[in-house]
Amino acid sequence: EPEVTQTPSHQVTQMGQEVILRCVPISNHLYFYWYRQILGQKVEFLVSFYNNEISEKSEIFDDQFSVERPDGSNFTLKIRSTKLEDSAMYFCASSGRFSNQPQHFGDGTRLSIL
Amino acid sequence: GESVGLHLPTLSVQEGDNSIINCAYSNSASDYFIWYKQESGKGPQFIIDIRSNMDKRQGQRVTVLLNKTVKHLSLQIAATQPGDSAVYFCAEMYSGGGADGLTFGKGTHLIIQP
Repeated sequence: EPEVTQTPSHQVTQMGQEVILRCVPISNHLYFYWYRQILGQKVEFLVSFYNNEISEKSEIFDDQFSVERPDGSNFTLKIRSTKLEDSAMYFCASSGRFSNQPQHFGDGTRLSIL
Repeated sequence: GESVGLHLPTLSVQEGDNSIINCAYSNSASDYFIWYKQESGKGPQFIIDIRSNMDKRQGQRVTVLLNKTVKHLSLQIAATQPGDSAVYFCAEMYSGGGADGLTFGKGTHLIIQP
């Protein structure tokens, strides 16, 4: 069964450093998403991406965040200058030809900011 | 009622019994709903979805019920097995706005007792 893959599984970074989280969505999907989950809390929407541009973004997704689809398979989330409160699990998801189809999630990247 | 932070509502059931997990959603405009299962260290795994033009949908061992009048969603799992132990999240979205993100509930921790 096709799946969303994310790398790395764990990223440790010094506060103030830039970090790039990588995702390979399911190959024939058209909608891509990033979510985050702070330890023990619910999953929170960050941003959605369709047709090579941001479709929606939440209040969390401020100017420190950016997304990119650099080629036909990868989807990345960049945090420019990390803060302690950016420590969380970051999940990538993708869905098929229409937005109201199930979003399938990767197993996440655990980001630890020191 | 729901809890915040590390204190998830917990439902403990005997193996083989049926379980019902409840969720109150917030947005009366939401028209698409998904149940996810999250095991420790993994991303949310799609279980079943339902659109607002339905009030019941069945899958393999799972049934989702939707009551739009009171904005309530439930997930019924029949004949629970040890592998059903996980945190279960409901998620909602309004599909008419493009690639909107899902809004997740706070989760219920299901424990299957042998």
